[in-house]
Amino acid sequence: DGGITQSPKYLFRKEGQNVTLSCEQNLNHDAMYWYRQDPGQGLRLIYYSQIVNDFQKGDIAEGYSVSREKKESFPLTVTSAQKNPTAFYLCASSGQTGASNQPQHFGDGTRLSIL
Amino acid sequence: AQSVAQPEDQVNVAEGNPLTVKCTYSVSGNPYLFWYVQYPNRGLQFLLKYITGDNLVKGSYGFEAEFNKSQTSFHLKKPSALVSDSALYFCAVRDIRNFNKFYFGSGTKLNVKP
Repeated sequence: DGGITQSPKYLFRKEGQNVTLSCEQNLNHDAMYWYRQDPGQGLRLIYYSQIVNDFQKGDIAEGYSVSREKKESFPLTVTSAQKNPTAFYLCASSGQTGASNQPQHFGDGTRLSIL
Repeated sequence: AQSVAQPEDQVNVAEGNPLTVKCTYSVSGNPYLFWYVQYPNRGLQFLLKYITGDNLVKGSYGFEAEFNKSQTSFHLKKPSALVSDSALYFCAVRDIRNFNKFYFGSGTKLNVKP
């Protein structure tokens, strides 16, 4: 079955540590996204990528970094500069402009907490 | 700017009764609108979409949504609620100037009581 796989499901970060969240998709989608979800605040866009080796900052990119070396993979690194990283992180993908009527597909998220 | 608003943080309904979860939008041009559902500790699941055509859109799990251009609304409805419908619901709009961006409402928690 096609879908998006996020790992790990739960992650703990120590002070001063960088952590990387994995996101892999086998839907052959060009675009991939990272969202942060906090209680009562809905989804906020961190980064998105339209094609391999290209990505754009979203609304809350500070303290985060991404890479897009393969079409299937879009890992997110939460750096030590992100002072409030505790949240639920969601990865999504969607088809390109020619598939503009298609929705996003989401993974099941990674819950990040501070130790 | 493109945006959506969900005016209710929470909606409570008794099982068997009809339910409505409200969404209003603000876009330039014709909107591409979506509804998603999220269960605890899970990702968002697509329910239905409006792109063009009939104003009443039918989706998964018996849900439907009514597009109203004059009121800029896209309310989610179901004729008879189930306890298992209890979840968090998100309305979203696709940016027609940049199809790779979506804007989400803040979410509405639906509680269906037996």
